[in-house]
Amino acid sequence: EVQLVESGGGLVKPGGSLRLSCAASGFTFSSYSMNWVRQAPGKGLEWVSSISSSSSYIYYADSVKGRFTISRDNAKNSLYLQMNSLRAEDTAVYYCAREGPESPSAFDIWGQGTMVTVSS
Amino acid sequence: QSALTQPPSASGSPGQSVTISCTGTSSDVGGYNYVSWYQQHPGKAPKLMIYEVSKRPSGVPDRFSGSKSGNTASLTVSGLQAEDEADYYCSSYAGSNNPLVFGTGTKVTVL
Repeated sequence: EVQLVESGGGLVKPGGSLRLSCAASGFTFSSYSMNWVRQAPGKGLEWVSSISSSSSYIYYADSVKGRFTISRDNAKNSLYLQMNSLRAEDTAVYYCAREGPESPSAFDIWGQGTMVTVSS
Repeated sequence: QSALTQPPSASGSPGQSVTISCTGTSSDVGGYNYVSWYQQHPGKAPKLMIYEVSKRPSGVPDRFSGSKSGNTASLTVSGLQAEDEADYYCSSYAGSNNPLVFGTGTKVTVL
């Protein structure tokens, strides 16, 4: 079964750090670009970051640039998001999502999400 | 990069059709044929319903269709069913510097 499972969320104080992980299974992880998308409570979806299959191309939303770092380990079938200097407005459910094989920028597989709460 | 504009809500009776708009600019929706639509039920992850403006992934009913004219994309749900009640989000490729932008979301209610 094709699956993405996020972990690493939790409660962190403003200015703190957190590392999210996304474990992939059921497909050839190393062949796909991957993304992080977040959703603040009661709000819409916001694209956060993307990384190409070989990590050659990495992009960030302006809202997280300089604070978040996306990475992947194809040998471990895993995607990561290192989040530093966290702010209250980073509070959200964070999803990892696979870019579909048939179209760039279309996310065909999503994880269940992991909640990040930034609060003192 | 500003979010694409969607109406906050839309509704229809079972069996009717509902169309949701997604308005961007020539830098995103109007500039590329990489518009996608997602369905999200409460507490669940989004599900891809349409990609490349009008293509349906395997398993998505043909009641869901997409189109685009200029800077505005549209999702039409025909033959509304109770399970179609959900939030719907559009997204568009927006260039290499800021690759993806989502819409503001539309809550579809089946009356």
